[in-house]
Amino acid sequence: AQSVTQLDSHVSVSEGTPVLLRCNYSSSYSPSLFWYVQHPNKGLQLLLKYTSAATLVKGINGFEAEFKKSETSFHLTKPSAHMSDAAEYFCVVTITSGTYKYIFGTGTRLKVLA
Amino acid sequence: DVKVTQSSRYLVKRTGEKVFLECVQDMDHENMFWYRQDPGLGLRLIYFSYDVKMKEKGDIPEGYSVSREKKERFSLILESASTNQTSMYLCASITGTSGSSKQFFGPGTRLTVL
Repeated sequence: AQSVTQLDSHVSVSEGTPVLLRCNYSSSYSPSLFWYVQHPNKGLQLLLKYTSAATLVKGINGFEAEFKKSETSFHLTKPSAHMSDAAEYFCVVTITSGTYKYIFGTGTRLKVLA
Repeated sequence: DVKVTQSSRYLVKRTGEKVFLECVQDMDHENMFWYRQDPGLGLRLIYFSYDVKMKEKGDIPEGYSVSREKKERFSLILESASTNQTSMYLCASITGTSGSSKQFFGPGTRLTVL
């Protein structure tokens, strides 16, 4: 069975410091993995996705994530946080067994301190 | 740009009412989804549809039904609204036919059942 675990429900960082949002997954198949961001009162926006090409995936707004099969992880990072990064972030794994289901993590709320 | 629209941003209904939530996408996507989003639980799949008149239950279908009479429109129906259905409801559609496809989300409908 597929599942995804976001290890932190809340993360606080100071502006200009690195961001690390952790995600572990479980999948019987080669997974596709995504990170989405949701700003307050806005819809979900795709940050990046991994689909079995390069293990280091670069996304929008300076975010990137590394797929580590041995650790079953897909952590999201950014070298330097900006105030506008404050939002909720969701890690997602997909399964395709005839039809398509997307399994969402419970979310990590990122707070950026001035 | 792909657009997914939802009929209402905010909705207030009374217990026992029948509620219709409408979602429309403008890019000829086959697959459409309804999720509910609750704090600490992430997004949970209610139903999805992979073609006109075709639907499949997600993880929490109880108390909901769906209708897809036209490709661009996917409706979520609460047959008899209850207070535990107070939530944010998100509609999504996907490009292509693979599990690596990006989901496009609507802005959400915040439903309050009194």
